[in-house]
Amino acid sequence: SQQGEEDPQALSIQEGENATMNCSYKTSINNLQWYRQNSGRGLVHLILIRSNEREKHSGRLRVTLDTSKKSSSLLITASRAADTASYFCATVNTGANSKLTFGKGITLSVRP
Amino acid sequence: GAGVSQSPRYKVAKRGQDVALRCDPISGHVSLFWYQQALGQGPEFLTYFQNEAQLDKSGLPSDRFFAERPEGSVSTLKIQRTQQEDSAVYLCASSFQGGVYNEQFFGPGTRLTVL
Repeated sequence: SQQGEEDPQALSIQEGENATMNCSYKTSINNLQWYRQNSGRGLVHLILIRSNEREKHSGRLRVTLDTSKKSSSLLITASRAADTASYFCATVNTGANSKLTFGKGITLSVRP
Repeated sequence: GAGVSQSPRYKVAKRGQDVALRCDPISGHVSLFWYQQALGQGPEFLTYFQNEAQLDKSGLPSDRFFAERPEGSVSTLKIQRTQQEDSAVYLCASSFQGGVYNEQFFGPGTRLTVL
């Protein structure tokens, strides 16, 4: 079963703008991860944030985690056409070994 | 080095046929996962191996689904008597160790279409 919901389901922005995607989940987690999927490169890991962390950066990516609200956000700054893809949040739930529980995904389109 | 590879990339089966999907993980990776991704959805967990041991098969949707990893490297997902609802992309992922903080590396998937 899917863990939760990403919001929005689809996002279209102009190149150079920032993209913010949100994810909510339902259970206690060990960590939360964001993945990108496109037809060219398959599913690729972007960033992992542990349950005791609140914010993490990696290049143009910034992820936040609020465990009290069971939510996370992914910010992509200065977007590029190559960022066009589907983005998924995935959780490793407490006590559930290391399997990933994915959301339904967000489709991001970056217009040149 | 090479990433995770899967074969075949595409498979068309008639309803009732058996299929076998292969996954070659990254060399040396201890953990191997199978996920099923329906059209427009996120991947859903099927099963998990650590070396040759199948530690979690809670996601397998029915007893028609069977997975093995006999020598702790290559894995095969077998689906017997395929049904139309089995149509999906089957993703394999591997990670170096079994820890919860280890990144999973995904293969390109096998797209299964059951007619």
